[in-house]
Amino acid sequence: GQNIDQPTEMTATEGAIVQINCTYQTSGFNGLFWYQQHAGEAPTFLSYNVLDGLEEKGRFSSFLSRSKGYSYLLLKELQMKDSASYLCAVPMPYSGGGADGLTFGKGTHLIIQP
Amino acid sequence: GAVVSQHPSRVICKSGTSVKIECRSLDFQATTMFWYRQFPKQSLMLMATSNEGSKATYEQGVEKDKFLINHASLTLSTLTVTSAHPEDSSFYICSARDFQALSRDLTDTQYFGPGTRLTVL
Repeated sequence: GQNIDQPTEMTATEGAIVQINCTYQTSGFNGLFWYQQHAGEAPTFLSYNVLDGLEEKGRFSSFLSRSKGYSYLLLKELQMKDSASYLCAVPMPYSGGGADGLTFGKGTHLIIQP
Repeated sequence: GAVVSQHPSRVICKSGTSVKIECRSLDFQATTMFWYRQFPKQSLMLMATSNEGSKATYEQGVEKDKFLINHASLTLSTLTVTSAHPEDSSFYICSARDFQALSRDLTDTQYFGPGTRLTVL
């Protein structure tokens, strides 16, 4: 089966940096996604990692280590609007290449304080 | 980026009635769409995979006769909750894969619709 673990809640200060960790167990790895979800809204895509290393996209960066089954999302220069849930997800291992339906972690609720 | 719409955004119905939710990809073709369900303070759970022109694939524990899925075109999938009951009250979210983005950008991305909040009284 698949299992994804991430912290339930984190608190950080506006302007600071925060790292949200995710560990996963899955057979047939096909990449890892990070999504942002504001309360009552659908998730919005942040990043997709399939190779080891760090991918940077503006204030958001995502890191992957396939050998460790580990990823993190790094948010810099935090803004109040970054208060949201951050979801780590991996594709279900149905058919070999490409992603299919996603298995989501329970999400990390990030609270930004002034 | 790609846009996925859902309709309605919110629906309240009586127990025993059926509710249809539409999911459309607005600026790309989606041969595969996915239906998820999210209960309060829970994560998204995949219910079924909707394939254009063929039967949907349901996840374990999801009743295919209760949650009817029709993927009639490359831009539209519908989910019908039949004989809805209060325990079906949830946030239903669809997503669609942009296969052209996969070949163009080597990014396999699912784009989510805005969700439909279903409340069954």
